[in-house]
Amino acid sequence: DAKTTQPTSMDCAEGRAANLPCNHSTISGNEYVYWYRQIHSQGPQYIIHGLKNNETNEMASLIITEDRKSSTLILPHATLRDTAVYYCIVRYSGNEKLTFGTGTRLTIIP
Amino acid sequence: GAVVSQHPSWVICKSGTSVKIECRSLDFQATTMFWYRQFPKQSLMLMATSNEGSKATYEQGVEKDKFLINHASLTLSTLTVTSAHPEDSSFYICSANKAGGAFTDTQYFGPGTRLTVL
Repeated sequence: DAKTTQPTSMDCAEGRAANLPCNHSTISGNEYVYWYRQIHSQGPQYIIHGLKNNETNEMASLIITEDRKSSTLILPHATLRDTAVYYCIVRYSGNEKLTFGTGTRLTIIP
Repeated sequence: GAVVSQHPSWVICKSGTSVKIECRSLDFQATTMFWYRQFPKQSLMLMATSNEGSKATYEQGVEKDKFLINHASLTLSTLTVTSAHPEDSSFYICSANKAGGAFTDTQYFGPGTRLTVL
């Protein structure tokens, strides 16, 4: 699976949009971009995934650049409960493994 | 929905004893489940891939005789830590693969089990 690069940590004010970047410059054509988050002492929570088109669900939006070398997860109106470590993972469609990096520690500031 | 449960949520045991952790997919069937381990302030590390009705596939460095995995049904996988020692104390997390269309399988995770070996 392609490696990803994420900032170690970010802060965001409560109520504002949180934009979390991820670089995956070596991604190949059949690899998907997945986002998970892990709140302290809990199992990871699936957020969203995409291949090349932008995706949106009830939790977040995923913006993937046209060359697919980077993406941004957007939490439109961050709340204190969004404080967590966010993982961007690239995975082959036929490969079921998820390889977790160090992620981005997002802190929502009141 | 896609809910995965784990039991127990936490366990304390004496050194040398064995501990069994259950992982269940509650509202979907999972032919493949995964077991991860997470030490404090570290990321999740995959231990093994569990396929229903067949032997688990272990990652390099994970002792298969120490971490016994059984995936007897499409909704249940178990991890048994045999002869547990203090260094096995960790947060164990399972996930279950929910099949999607066009190869977009998604893994859903359980809440984790915190194991403390005294």
